[in-house]
Amino acid sequence: GNSVTQMEGPVTLSEEAFLTINCTYTATGYPSLFWYVQYPGEGLQLLLKATKADDKGSNKGFEATYRKETTSFHLEKGSVQVSDSAVYFCALEAGTALIFGKGTTLSVSS
Amino acid sequence: DAMVIQNPRYQVTQFGKPVTLSCSQTLNHNVMYWYQQKSSQAPKLLFHYYDKDFNNEADTPDNFQSRRPNTSFCFLDIRSPGLGDAAMYLCATSRSVRFSAAEQYFGPGTRLTVT
Repeated sequence: GNSVTQMEGPVTLSEEAFLTINCTYTATGYPSLFWYVQYPGEGLQLLLKATKADDKGSNKGFEATYRKETTSFHLEKGSVQVSDSAVYFCALEAGTALIFGKGTTLSVSS
Repeated sequence: DAMVIQNPRYQVTQFGKPVTLSCSQTLNHNVMYWYQQKSSQAPKLLFHYYDKDFNNEADTPDNFQSRRPNTSFCFLDIRSPGLGDAAMYLCATSRSVRFSAAEQYFGPGTRLTVT
């Protein structure tokens, strides 16, 4: 069946550090892939998406590339800020549903 | 601003006492979803409405029901809450049932506590 696996958190970084949050998936076919972010006290917001293999989604300095050969969609940012502290969810499209990973908490200190 | 609103943000109910959570949207989206998110777990889809058509996930317990009286509102009814139903309940909307990379817009969630 369809599933998403994210790296365990929390991830703790200093401001301006490089960020990678790993995400791998299992799916039938080639679903669209998403990263959602949840800031404290708020709902989930779409951060970026990719609809086919080798697509790169990007937004607010974050990037992720749809890798079919490794079934991965790792999230990266070159220089994190304190305001990036949040929970990040990787997700894949599965018919009418989004299948989410468990989320990775990122904490950035100044 | 167009948005998805959930009320209340925090709800406490007693074991076995029916409870209703509400969701409203100003986005005029045709699809509305309810997800359940337990602590440190991924959000899990319970059901969704495509317009007025109700679509239940196969593993959603019968204890959970939903109503959508109009485009803007959707309700989640838990008929007899158990301790295992304590969770964050997330409402979301989208423009179409087929994602095609369409975006889902989420409300802030309602945290349900069962005593």
